Amino acid sequence: KNEVEQSPQNLTAQEGEFITINCSYSVGISALHWLQQHPGGGIVSLFMLSSGKKKHGRLIATINIQEKHSSLHITASHPRDSAVYICAVDANRDDKIIFGKGTRLHILP
Amino acid sequence: DTAVSQTPKYLVTQMGNDKSIKCEQNLGHDTMYWYKQDSKKFLKIMFSYNNKELIINETVPNRFSPKSPDKAHLNLHINSLELGDSAVYFCASSEYITGDTEAFFGQGTRLTVV
Repeated sequence: KNEVEQSPQNLTAQEGEFITINCSYSVGISALHWLQQHPGGGIVSLFMLSSGKKKHGRLIATINIQEKHSSLHITASHPRDSAVYICAVDANRDDKIIFGKGTRLHILP
Repeated sequence: DTAVSQTPKYLVTQMGNDKSIKCEQNLGHDTMYWYKQDSKKFLKIMFSYNNKELIINETVPNRFSPKSPDKAHLNLHINSLELGDSAVYFCASSEYITGDTEAFFGQGTRLTVV
């Protein structure tokens, strides 16, 4: 079993829909990252969380440390949001990042 | 089978030295990357490279240079190491096609400059 699990693996939605991507982890962490990778390969950091909730534009990220779960929400989704979204955690045990396998999001116009 | 492997996992060295971190991927991907995890834990891209094009983040000092002996390898060479270079460095690869891509990361190399 992977230590960082994302769901769904693939998601196709219509423009304007509210999107939720989930991430569950099984190790102790100091922080959790949400990353975005666009077609063409480049990866950018969206959020880094250690507790609570963060918001940036139409993106919202939440984390529940007790439940070892995080969600990434996209409001009023747009075709330009189409990308692979990756959850990654800073594991306490060896201070390394453990990456999820990503969620491929496709927003239809 | 490890998809993206980096060596060494830990590297401690003195200021002024020159060192290399190796990265190999067995996925047949065309594009490889180097990322630096900074002191605030954010991942910052340093280079992306395929067999046609090297894209350099302009904020990366020219003491850092990627070297690719073949498509499966992208090594990171660092000259005249400085204390501020201490960080965790991640290698990644992806299939460079138009449309959906998925990145695979190595386990990281913790570089400590003393």
